[in-house]
Amino acid sequence: AQSVTQLDSHVSVSEGTPVLLRCNYSSSYSPSLFWYVQHPNKGLQLLLKYTSAATLVKGINGFEAEFKKSETSFHLTKPSAHMSDAAEYFCVVILPFSGGYNKLIFGAGTRLAVHP
Amino acid sequence: KAGVTQTPRYLIKTRGQQVTLSCSPISGHRSVSWYQQTPGQGLQFLFEYFSETQRNKGNFPGRFSGRQFSNSRSEMNVSTLELGDSALYLCASGYSMSTGELFFGEGSRLTVL
Repeated sequence: AQSVTQLDSHVSVSEGTPVLLRCNYSSSYSPSLFWYVQHPNKGLQLLLKYTSAATLVKGINGFEAEFKKSETSFHLTKPSAHMSDAAEYFCVVILPFSGGYNKLIFGAGTRLAVHP
Repeated sequence: KAGVTQTPRYLIKTRGQQVTLSCSPISGHRSVSWYQQTPGQGLQFLFEYFSETQRNKGNFPGRFSGRQFSNSRSEMNVSTLELGDSALYLCASGYSMSTGELFFGEGSRLTVL
């Protein structure tokens, strides 16, 4: 089955330390991959996307993700966590769907806690 | 540019009732997709509308339906509500869901008693 797996349901870091949120995908195709963030009681916001150009993708708020085909991974990183980064993060893959259109498959989410 | 607007933000219904949720997309976006978010099942795709036509549908029963109007505003309806329908319903707009670049509303939180 083609899917996306977020390896940690919860990650806790101290403010100012690096963030690593892990995502592995399974796809028979060259995938398009995304990271979205959801702050409490808010909708999702696109952080960054990979669509087969550069393997290192830079997003908003200092986040980056690296596409590694050999490891089927698309991990999200940030050098220094800020309190405002506390949120839930979703890794998303686009898969072909019936009728020639695509559909989005969301990972289960990783809740990031940032401590002072 | 105004964002995606969902109404109502919160609502409480009882089993067996029906509910209609509304979504106004960002101006110029013709695609509106709907998602159900629950603690147990996570984010699940309901359906996508593009230029008033349903283009994609997830694995939900026929009690879940939707439509899109000529101004791209969309509604979703859930009939014969069940306790398990309690969830945050999110809509997202974009030029096409296939691009993956979506703009989400803040959601409508439905509680079924």
